[in-house]
This record gives sequence, structure tokens and C-alpha cells, in this order.
Amino acid sequence: DVKVTQSSRYLVKRTGEKVFLECVQDMDHENMFWYRQDPGLGLRLIYFSYDVKMKEKGDIPEGYSVSREKKERFSLILESASTNQTSMYLCASSFLREHYEQYFGPGTRLTVT
Amino acid sequence: AQSVTQLDSQVPVFEEAPVELRCNYSSSVSVYLFWYVQYPNQGLQLLLKYLSGSTLVKGINGFEAEFNKSQTSFHLRKPSVHISDTAEYFCAVRPAAGNKLTFGGGTRVLVKP
Repeated sequence: DVKVTQSSRYLVKRTGEKVFLECVQDMDHENMFWYRQDPGLGLRLIYFSYDVKMKEKGDIPEGYSVSREKKERFSLILESASTNQTSMYLCASSFLREHYEQYFGPGTRLTVT
Repeated sequence: AQSVTQLDSQVPVFEEAPVELRCNYSSSVSVYLFWYVQYPNQGLQLLLKYLSGSTLVKGINGFEAEFNKSQTSFHLRKPSVHISDTAEYFCAVRPAAGNKLTFGGGTRVLVKP
């Protein structure tokens, strides 16, 4: 079974803090993705990566950065957390070829106070 | 660019009744289509996908969906729902030559006894 794990299920941070969200997959997938999920808006892509040290902006990259130093690990970084970044964050991974599905982690619910 | 519209944000339904969740998309290129389910406090899980071939696609847990190219729709159906089908359902599209998913806003299904 494919497994995508995220470092925390729940996280509470203060405004201005630097926040790291970690994601690890165990299926040797080339692609990894970070989404945020907000009610009524579905999932929106923040960043994705198709290889180590490679990254591409998604639809809402502002206020976020990412790091992929190893194939199995993809980190999302909030350089200075703000209250409008309170959300559910979902990580996903897939093989490189387009017809492969994405597998999702359980999510991290981040609250910025 | 692609967009996905899920026409119902919430669908209450009685146990053992049928349910249909509507999804319409727009795209200037060929797309693959997906339905994902999110059970409470969990990540997303693939229900079914349409890549090519037969327009009627069967997925897990008794769900099926029909791809209608002329109406740009991919509606999800189940003939008889169970309490355990209470979840949020997301329709998503991806360009056939790409790996970025675009999600709809989600439909919450509440199955009542």
C-alpha cells in the first residue's frame, strides 16, 4: 500500500512564526504536491515538485516556499505565518507519467493565531 | 486552464436511497477525470477515474460515474447509499499531458437513517 505521511495532524502557531510542514512518501514517486483545503474552495495547489531540488509554483504560491532535498520528502515552509494561512494542508504524491493517480496524506490542520 | 464546478455543496440523502453528485468542467485540452472521497478527519482517497475508453466508469464502494464529453460533465452516482458513505466528495480534472489536478469545491454528502 502506498503511504503518504505528514509530520503533524494538528498544529497551532503564532503570527510571524516560521512553520515547517513535512511530508514523506514510501513509493518512490517522482511527483509530490502541496495543497491547501478550505471550505467551499476545494483543494488548491500551492507548489509541486517532479524531482529532487525541482519545484514549480501552483495556483497559490504566495507566502509559501518548498524544499525537496530527498526524493521521498517534500517540505512546505511558511516563512512568516499569517492568520489567513489557517487551513488544512494536504500532501500528495504520484508517479511521473500523467495517467497515474495522486495519493494523499491525512492532512495537517494548521491554526495561526 | 481548467476549471471544475460541483453544483451542489451539500446533499442530504436517506440511507438506501440513490444519490447523484454533479460535476461539470471546462478545458481547452483533453483531460482525465477523477472523483475523490474524503471521510471525516482523513485525507483524500480515489473513488474512480476516467482516462479513456468506456464512458461509464465503475469505482470502489459501488460508485460509478459517466463521462459526457458533449456536456463536459462527469456525474457520480450510487444506487443505494449507506451511512458509511457520509463524506465529502471532490471532482477533479487533469490535462492528459500534465500532472496538475484542478479540484471542484466539494460536495458534502450526509446520509441519514
